[in-house]
Amino acid sequence: DTGVSQNPRHKITKRGQNVTFRCDPISEHNRLYWYRQTLGQGPEFLTYFQNEAQLEKSRLLSDRFSAERPKGSFSTLEIQRTEQGDSAMYLCASSPGGGRGTDTQYFGPGTRLTVL
Amino acid sequence: AQRVTQPEKLLSVFKGAPVELKCNYSYSGSPELFWYVQYSRQRLQLLLRHISRESIKGFTADLNKGETSFHLKKPFAQEEDSAMYYCALSGRGGRGSTLGRLYFGRGTQLTVWP
Repeated sequence: DTGVSQNPRHKITKRGQNVTFRCDPISEHNRLYWYRQTLGQGPEFLTYFQNEAQLEKSRLLSDRFSAERPKGSFSTLEIQRTEQGDSAMYLCASSPGGGRGTDTQYFGPGTRLTVL
Repeated sequence: AQRVTQPEKLLSVFKGAPVELKCNYSYSGSPELFWYVQYSRQRLQLLLRHISRESIKGFTADLNKGETSFHLKKPFAQEEDSAMYYCALSGRGGRGSTLGRLYFGRGTQLTVWP
């Protein structure tokens, strides 16, 4: 499977614990995005990277959230001191990036986080 | 402010009937509009984008800048069209390139009955 992959697919944790998710984009895609989706809503943008540079962060991304893409390939999203309100599906997407024209985002299967 | 509105949370039609999923948007610049689809137990995937003016799986969508709408249409719905459909918007930067983030509507669950 050469699509975007995410691990783990499911994560159950207790309130106050830290969690980390990983996203592996499509090979040679320069851009990588993180979204969060709660029940009954569409995905909401969190942040995105162009190569290793984090270019934009949403106000949804509180101080407890941090994302990295150290070598411009895979990315990690860490949530510290999880809260029940963090329970959601976390989606990763990648796109070729740069240049002219439409830049299509391809989504991974998501990581479902449940905070007890 | 950027916003994508999908007024129908649920939509049901019978097989062979026409279907229209509504999408309205607000955006201060020049937008790019997309329709994404998510079939049961599958990942979100692009269905079509306005700039391509293409028909995918019999679906079409026309960008109406006057009404700020991008409704998705299909003349004859099929059972396999049952899925969650999301309308999404992105900005366009210099040289016509797509800006980063996508703004999504809340989605419309389409059910096509046999």
